[in-house]
Amino acid sequence: GESVGLHLPTLSVQEGDNSIINCAYSNSASDYFIWYKQESGKGPQFIIDIRSNMDKRQGQRVTVLLNKTVKHLSLQIAATQPGDSAVYFCAETPTSGTYKYIFGTGTRLKVLA
Amino acid sequence: SQTIHQWPATLVQPVGSPLSLECTVEGTSNPNLYWYRQAAGRGLQLLFYSVGIGQISSEVPQNLSASRPQDRQFILSSKKLLLSDSGFYLCAWSVLGGARDTQYFGPGTRLTVL
Repeated sequence: GESVGLHLPTLSVQEGDNSIINCAYSNSASDYFIWYKQESGKGPQFIIDIRSNMDKRQGQRVTVLLNKTVKHLSLQIAATQPGDSAVYFCAETPTSGTYKYIFGTGTRLKVLA
Repeated sequence: SQTIHQWPATLVQPVGSPLSLECTVEGTSNPNLYWYRQAAGRGLQLLFYSVGIGQISSEVPQNLSASRPQDRQFILSSKKLLLSDSGFYLCAWSVLGGARDTQYFGPGTRLTVL
C-alpha cells in the first residue's frame, strides 16, 4: 500500500550543527507535505509545509526540500538547539477529495550538548 | 487565533469501563475534526473524521465511537474499554475546503486501560 516512511529512526546531532531529517513517500500523486514536531507527551506541532509545485520552502531556521523525481522530502534545521530535541514526522496528503493524511512513524532527534 | 483543547489530559480506566474524551476548537467555524490514536513508538492512526455536525466517518473497525454534537465539539467514546484501547489520543482540526487543509493537533489525552 501507499506509505510515508523515514530513513533514520534516531538522529543525534551536536548542538549548533545542522540537522537533516529525511522522509520517503510512495504516492506520486501526493500534493501537499507537512513536517510536524512532537515533544514527549505533547501533541504534534506544525513546523512547515510545502506544495508539490515547489521544491524548497524556508521558515525560521527550518527548510523543507521536496524532490518529486525520487519522492523524497527532507527537513533541515539550522544551528540545532536543545529545544529541537523531539520526534519529527512527515505527512503527505493526496490531491483534493480526501481528508486523509499518510503519516510517517517519526525520527527522534537528540541534540547533544 | 485558533486553539484546540482536549480533556482530560490523562486517564486511567479499568477494563470494561466506559470512556468519554472531549475535544473543542475555538476561533474557527465549521472545521474538519479528527480523532487519532498514537501507540507508543508508532505513527498516527486515524480513527474518525467529521466534516460537520452529526457527520462521522469511521476509518477503522473498533471498540470506539465518535460524535459531533456541536460545530466545534468532537467526542470519542466507548461503552466498554479493552486493554488494547490504551494509547495517546489526539484530536485535530483543519479548515473545511482549504486548498492546503493543514491539520493542527491538540495536546492529547494519555489513556491507560488496566
